[in-house]
Amino acid sequence: AAGVIQSPRHLIKEKRETATLKCYPIPRHDTVYWYQQGPGQDPQFLISFYEKMQSDKGSIPDRFSAQQFSDYHSELNMSSLELGDSALYFCASSRQGFPDTQYFGPGTRLTVL
Amino acid sequence: AQTVTQSQPEMSVQEAETVTLSCTYDTSESNYYLFWYKQPPSRQMILVIRQEAYKQQNATENRFSVNFQKAAKSFSLKISDSQLGDTAMYFCAFMKPFNAGNNRKLIWGLGTSLAVNP
Repeated sequence: AAGVIQSPRHLIKEKRETATLKCYPIPRHDTVYWYQQGPGQDPQFLISFYEKMQSDKGSIPDRFSAQQFSDYHSELNMSSLELGDSALYFCASSRQGFPDTQYFGPGTRLTVL
Repeated sequence: AQTVTQSQPEMSVQEAETVTLSCTYDTSESNYYLFWYKQPPSRQMILVIRQEAYKQQNATENRFSVNFQKAAKSFSLKISDSQLGDTAMYFCAFMKPFNAGNNRKLIWGLGTSLAVNP
């Protein structure tokens, strides 16, 4: 079965640089979620989209923005990167109500030097 | 606001034995979903099992089963015949249903690190 695809899998950036993370949801899934997970921590919700509209917003810094495109893929744009942004970034997708379960991609490991 | 509590930061079990991981939650919702996710050393987040609150029957997936006690707001995971590949961090998570509108992010516990020993 098709899974959530994230690219790149690993990303190394310098402070103050910009990064773009991409997420391709499972086909026919209408909702995308972004989570950030630091080492030894539980995932922290950043933002979600339902049918290409932002549906919920969590602890996402103003330096970050995201959108969902017409083909349902989503991109997380991160600017003015800080050392504290180093983390594993997950994208998850679901289909509302059918069966309404979030399936996770492999994650993008971002390292800011 | 919903909260999820996992009171066992670390656990260990011998291969082939059974282990139970605890999870409690707090919510005023009457309908919701509960999940167990597994995160092995690769850090991939893998769905283990899912429970719908309106279903009284406990969910089962092969060697994994849950004990869902709605009144007690308890959702424990039992792993039977533990295997070395079960070594992972296990997260309990809560989610509102579709008809709850927005704010349907997963609410996570802090996780239980499970080591299966040979």
